[in-house]
Amino acid sequence: AQSVTQLDSQVPVFEEAPVELRCNYSSSVSVYLFWYVQYPNQGLQLLLKYLSGSTLVKGINGFEAEFNKSQTSFHLRKPSVHISDTAEYFCAVIFQGGKLIFGQGTELSVKP
Amino acid sequence: NAGVTQTPKFQVLKTGQSMTLQCAQDMNHNSMYWYRQDPGMGLRLIYYSASEGTTDKGEVPNGYNVSRLNKREFSLRLESAAPSQTSVYFCASSPQVGAGTDTQYFGPGTRLTVL
Repeated sequence: AQSVTQLDSQVPVFEEAPVELRCNYSSSVSVYLFWYVQYPNQGLQLLLKYLSGSTLVKGINGFEAEFNKSQTSFHLRKPSVHISDTAEYFCAVIFQGGKLIFGQGTELSVKP
Repeated sequence: NAGVTQTPKFQVLKTGQSMTLQCAQDMNHNSMYWYRQDPGMGLRLIYYSASEGTTDKGEVPNGYNVSRLNKREFSLRLESAAPSQTSVYFCASSPQVGAGTDTQYFGPGTRLTVL
C-alpha cells in the first residue's frame, strides 16, 4: 500500500538553530510532493511543493525541501528557526494520479 | 475574500444524533474535499467532489454522506454519530476539476465530540 511516513512525531529545537523534518514515502513511481503547515487552531496552508524540475524546492518563511528519488525522501529544512515557526508540519504525496495522502505530522516546538 | 469557511467551529453530539457540517468557498474552485484529522494519523480523506454534481468516496467514508449543493458549497452529514467520529474535520478546495497537483486551500476546521 502507498504510504507516507514522517519519522519524528515531535521535534523540539532552540530558536535560531537549524531544523530538519523527515519524510519518506513508499514508492518510487511518479510522485508529487508537498509540505503543509498547521499553526495552532488553524487549517493547513501550503509551504512548498515539488512537481518536476530542480530537486531543491524553496517555500515560504525560509523553508526548503529536497526531493531524493533514490531514497524516496522529501525532507524539510530551515537553517535558523523562529518562535513563530512552532506548528505542526505535514508531508503529503500524490502517487501516480491518485489522491493526496498525508503523513502523520511532526510537531515542531521552538524554544527561546 | 474569505477563502474556505466552515460552520460550526465546535459541536458536541450524543451517540446516535445526526448533524451536517457546512463548508463554502468563494474562490470559484472546482474541487472540494472533506478530511478528518486524528492524533498521530495525519489527515484522512472522507469524501471529495471533483466538480459540481459529482462526489466520490475517499479513504474513510463509512458513516458519512456528502452533498455538493452547488459550486460553492460542500456539506458533510453524519446520520447517526458514533464516538469513533470524534475528530477535527477540515474542508478544502482546489482550483481544477479533479484537482491533479493543485494546492489545496483549507478551512479552519470543525472540532466534533461525540459522547
